[in-house]
Amino acid sequence: EMVMTQSPATLSVSPGERATLSCRASQSVSSNLAWYQHKPGQAPRLLIYDASTRATDIPARFSGSGSGTEFTLTISSLQSEDFALYYCQQYNNWPQTFGQGTRVEIK
Amino acid sequence: QVQLQESGPGLVKPSETLSLTCTVSGGSISSHYWSWIRQPPGKELEWIGYIYYSGSTYYNPSLKSRVTISVDTSKNQFSLKVTSVTAADTAVYYCARSRYTATAPYFDYWGQGTLVTVSS
Repeated sequence: EMVMTQSPATLSVSPGERATLSCRASQSVSSNLAWYQHKPGQAPRLLIYDASTRATDIPARFSGSGSGTEFTLTISSLQSEDFALYYCQQYNNWPQTFGQGTRVEIK
Repeated sequence: QVQLQESGPGLVKPSETLSLTCTVSGGSISSHYWSWIRQPPGKELEWIGYIYYSGSTYYNPSLKSRVTISVDTSKNQFSLKVTSVTAADTAVYYCARSRYTATAPYFDYWGQGTLVTVSS
């Protein structure tokens, strides 16, 4: 089973600053990678699919990059509503698997 | 806007069957794939399986022997059953709409999740 490793576990960032989250796959997943945002008590929200394509209504400050085994989610200027948990998910191999998450918290 | 809502008992006894239903609103259940995903406390999200609106299913091999997913298009609902549950099945259970690709699906709409605890 494909293992997805996210780093760091927690990222402390001030509002307005850039946040860079990493996701590494145990083997190549091509560009078959998605990113999700999850806030407590809410439904997880799809941010990025195909490694770099923003989902519907996702602000341009969210961007994804990478292919193969190394991926990055960048939030260019953190807004108050962006402090949340972020997961990556590979869908190149069955079963699709998720990373353990990165928590973005207010510094 | 598509919305999903999980419902079902929050407490299940060991060895019994866990049953959950997901109600889809704001869109039709037809022509889409629908998944169940769970997250045990302190662990990663785990995809359980999916169903196509026509009824065809595919399950995670790790759970396949105990899981059944069904669909009721007349009610815009799909359901999950997990048999012979143990404490290891304690988790937040999510339903989600799956976007099928040439490889495997990702998930574009999720429910808020429901906590199911297995305990006597």
